[in-house]
Amino acid sequence: GQNIDQPTEMTATEGAIVQINCTYQTSGFNGLFWYQQHAGEAPTFLSYNVLDGLEEKGRFSSFLSRSKGYSYLLLKELQMKDSASYLCAVLDSNYQLIWGAGTKLIIKP
Amino acid sequence: DGGITQSPKYLFRKEGQNVTLSCEQNLNHDAMYWYRQDPGQGLRLIYYSQIVNDFQKGDIAEGYSVSREKKESFPLTVTSAQKNPTAFYLCASSIPGTETGELFFGEGSRLTVL
Repeated sequence: GQNIDQPTEMTATEGAIVQINCTYQTSGFNGLFWYQQHAGEAPTFLSYNVLDGLEEKGRFSSFLSRSKGYSYLLLKELQMKDSASYLCAVLDSNYQLIWGAGTKLIIKP
Repeated sequence: DGGITQSPKYLFRKEGQNVTLSCEQNLNHDAMYWYRQDPGQGLRLIYYSQIVNDFQKGDIAEGYSVSREKKESFPLTVTSAQKNPTAFYLCASSIPGTETGELFFGEGSRLTVL
């Protein structure tokens, strides 16, 4: 079956750095997405990786290793507004999105 | 401004009643989707449509129905056959064939069955 694993919850301190991991086992691979979702709101797109390596976008970076079935989202200079759930999703060989359950990130002052 | 509008934001239903959730987009996207989100689980695809007058079942279509009579609109009906309908429902759209396939989501509709 298809599976995406991410930690359920993480806690970090304002101003620090946090890395949220995502491992996947899917039938084929056509890219990996990270979305941010604040409580009770809609997910918003953060990043897309299809090739191995690091994609940097401001305070957020996303890394992919296709051979290891692994990705991480790196958040730097954490702000209180970064408290949210972070969803990892993989586009499989049928171009269907398979979603992880999300990682709830709690930022403490 | 362009976007996706879902209504109602909150909805309460008695058991045995059908309810329809509205989803309208003015992004001129061809593809539209309905997802269900439950605590501790990933988003699950209910139905999707890649073109007007055509739609496909997702992973959990039982107890739901949709229509796509207009490009802008993709309403979801939660029927009385859906055994556990209390959930957060998200509508999304995308431009098929784009490299990233990024999804644009509505604000969501939270359905509670009393």
